[in-house]
Amino acid sequence: DTEVTQTPKHLVMGMTNKKSLKCEQHMGHRAMYWYKQKAKKPPELMFVYSYEKLSINESVPSRFSPECPNSSLLNLHLHALQPEDSALYLCASSQDSQRDTQYFGPGTRLTVL
Amino acid sequence: AQKVTQAQTEISVVEKEDVTLDCVYETRDTTYYLFWYKQPPSGELVFLIRRNSFDEQNEISGRYSWNFQKSTSSFNFTITASQVVDSAVYFCALSEAVNNNDMRFGAGTRLTVKP
Repeated sequence: DTEVTQTPKHLVMGMTNKKSLKCEQHMGHRAMYWYKQKAKKPPELMFVYSYEKLSINESVPSRFSPECPNSSLLNLHLHALQPEDSALYLCASSQDSQRDTQYFGPGTRLTVL
Repeated sequence: AQKVTQAQTEISVVEKEDVTLDCVYETRDTTYYLFWYKQPPSGELVFLIRRNSFDEQNEISGRYSWNFQKSTSSFNFTITASQVVDSAVYFCALSEAVNNNDMRFGAGTRLTVKP
């Protein structure tokens, strides 16, 4: 089973809202990732969690706040976003590190009004 | 720094044609990993293949085949007898082992297969 699930599939929020994106995997993977993908662009890495600890933060604005409650779950808390944050947010997981194959979820399409 | 170049932005073919997607990479490491992903209109990135730098064997999986050539730093992807369902954006990606850098994606190639 190589399934990574993400909820919600679509999200529309105002600039003053607080929302969260959720990601879950049951493959026993110990590394989880958040990517942001703008239209017609490749995914850009935002955060990496390795063994439930944040290991990479690619200079992402503080209005994005990741959380890894356990090895199967990954959240991305959103607050005071800007319209330019509208994008597809992809979650991925891999066995141990970024050298391993990353398996992606279906993504959450976020629109910030 | 590692870099992946997919020079073909868009390719359009007619069903049953063969098509090759090019990927050229740059890295200073001797140990690295190359990947291909498919992203259909639904948005999910689907893993296709992972190849490490010490394994230059070409691989075939059904209608898909990959040609890895270290001498030219290329990892090209060929679809034989293309089908409409192959229409998607295809990303080549590179991950270095030593520095454990993040996986870098190429810009992607949008493939359209017309009936």
